[in-house]
Amino acid sequence: QITLKESGPTLVTPTQTLTLTCSFSGFSLDTIGVAVGWIRQPPGKALEWLGIVFWDHDKRSSPPLSSRLTVSRDTSTNHVVLRLTNMDSADTARYYCARLLIEHDAFDVWGQGAMVSVSS
Amino acid sequence: DVVVTQSPVSLPATPGKPASISCRASQSLLHSNGNHYLHWYLQRPGQSPQLLIYLGSNRASGVPDRFSGSGSGTVFSLKISRVEAEDVGMYYCMQALHFPYTFGQGTKLEIK
Repeated sequence: QITLKESGPTLVTPTQTLTLTCSFSGFSLDTIGVAVGWIRQPPGKALEWLGIVFWDHDKRSSPPLSSRLTVSRDTSTNHVVLRLTNMDSADTARYYCARLLIEHDAFDVWGQGAMVSVSS
Repeated sequence: DVVVTQSPVSLPATPGKPASISCRASQSLLHSNGNHYLHWYLQRPGQSPQLLIYLGSNRASGVPDRFSGSGSGTVFSLKISRVEAEDVGMYYCMQALHFPYTFGQGTKLEIK
């Protein structure tokens, strides 16, 4: 069974750095063709693609966030980490991690999401 | 960035009747391998999104055959042949040919 689960703080203060961990099981990020991505959804709004890390360590991120966003993988564990610096109220959202297979480049399994609020 | 526009924004649907959602991209989503990198997701209330259709027309595992996807180039559609109550939620299309990947703004399907 393939599962992903996001963990991290539920509340951060403005200018802080958000660190979220995606813990997954049932597949390996060492397998050719596998990737894990991050997507967020502000309350009542649409999904927004943030970034992705591939089995070969290639990474891509959304240009508007590229100066603030880092997506990395822990090669020793089944974890992918998202770091977003200089948090602002506009970053309040539910953050999802999801698996992607390059055979179709679709997110086929999603985590439950982690709600993060930015407030002083 | 590729802009993905869905219509309608809101879709009142009647159980047992068909329903359709359109998705238009600002650039072609046709890859040189012949596939269209356009996917459809359903987000039921209070749940995470789930993959419905991938590469334009392929149903994901476990998706009922009343859901179908079609289209080419920049214009795609999702059709539900007979709407059921469990189909309520937000439908999103997503393009995965050009980075950054982008989602449509969503279509809210509700039962009349």
